[in-house]
Amino acid sequence: KAGVTQTPRYLIKTRGQQVTLSCSPISGHRSVSWYQQTPGQGLQFLFEYFSETQRNKGNFPGRFSGRQFSNSRSEMNVSTLELGDSALYLCASSPGTGTQETQYFGPGTRLLVL
Amino acid sequence: QKEVEQDPGPLSVPEGAIVSLNCTYSNSAFQYFMWYRQYSRKGPELLMYTYSSGNKEDGRFTAQVDKSSKYISLFIRDSQPSDSATYLCAMSVPGSARQLTFGSGTQLTVLP
Repeated sequence: KAGVTQTPRYLIKTRGQQVTLSCSPISGHRSVSWYQQTPGQGLQFLFEYFSETQRNKGNFPGRFSGRQFSNSRSEMNVSTLELGDSALYLCASSPGTGTQETQYFGPGTRLLVL
Repeated sequence: QKEVEQDPGPLSVPEGAIVSLNCTYSNSAFQYFMWYRQYSRKGPELLMYTYSSGNKEDGRFTAQVDKSSKYISLFIRDSQPSDSATYLCAMSVPGSARQLTFGSGTQLTVLP
């Protein structure tokens, strides 16, 4: 089975711009979660999508948004970029129906905001 | 104060040593506990998952949970240079299985 894929792998943007990141889950997985990883704050949960609906949301400002398509692929959008948004953005997929299940992470998209 | 505290290290040990990695947490609602390993420029991969207090063993890895003390540990026996990575503890509450709260990670180097 192919793993979780994320595109692009690297991205450089300037302050004020917006960015869209993409995540393709493992085939058959319907849940996609997004995390932000920074040296200072570590890995922090952004949100989870399941069957095209946001199911859980972390404590991030509204500039961070996402969506999920009918094929379970997910996109994350960050508007009005700030320097502090520089981070590794990880997505994780899982079947989405279990009470506890393994999440499989992608390699991440490294975003640098100048 | 963060919900999950983890010593960031770095931790450097000789090959063959026993490694002990630890996390403490403050939220007693956490019921599921995981250890992830993250190599440089890769996403985290799940090493161990535990639910109840006690020990769980998988090869050279042993995960230990003490809910009364809000303390979890990961032991690596006969450590290898290939174990050099960042180790992250993660936790979740029932009903939010896919909303993980992570520790800051411990960077481990195993010297040949």
